[in-house]
Amino acid sequence: DTAVSQTPKYLVTQMGNDKSIKCEQNLGHDTMYWYKQDSKKFLKIMFSYNNKELIINETVPNRFSPKSPDKAHLNLHINSLELGDSAVYFCASSPRIGLFGDEQFFGPGTRLTVL
Amino acid sequence: SQQGEEDPQALSIQEGENATMNCSYKTSINNLQWYRQNSGRGLVHLILIRSNEREKHSGRLRVTLDTSKKSSSLLITASRAADTASYFCATDGGNNNDMRFGAGTRLTVKP
Repeated sequence: DTAVSQTPKYLVTQMGNDKSIKCEQNLGHDTMYWYKQDSKKFLKIMFSYNNKELIINETVPNRFSPKSPDKAHLNLHINSLELGDSAVYFCASSPRIGLFGDEQFFGPGTRLTVL
Repeated sequence: SQQGEEDPQALSIQEGENATMNCSYKTSINNLQWYRQNSGRGLVHLILIRSNEREKHSGRLRVTLDTSKKSSSLLITASRAADTASYFCATDGGNNNDMRFGAGTRLTVKP
């Protein structure tokens, strides 16, 4: 019954490794997002996908690559992890792209710790 | 870039008191939303107010919007310990196709 799910919930890894975080929504929404929440709790959008097409790519390093096999999934792959990548990553979805002000539904978050 | 900025950063009150949190933003908007985040959890949508609205209510929540001052406030009346959480405002940035969140207000309600 989970609306937006993410796996894993916790991810601890060494610098330089490559890792992926998966996200799935069963709400039938057209738009999905990835956010990064840093230690100061500031939530910053990273990517937005609308019907499998990238809409926003905020100035995140190209080590971060979102992949959307279908509109219900938006996975985040991170290459060559760095200490500064440690944060909580949230996936979210909304019926339409944000301009219409639709409510966003958030996943539970993935806490990434890079050692 | 950051759009909404919440004030205060942290607020501590006694159960039963009212809690007021403010949000300021920089660009014109179509709508503003408030979200709540419990510790270690994802954000949950509370209320949306559109740019042509001045006030909106939902249960114990009251949101106001002043587009001339580019600010909004969230009032929680008769607070409960369970209201303890972080509260974020988010705006759509006008013509932007994304929601911009502030850093949040950490509310602690003491029983």
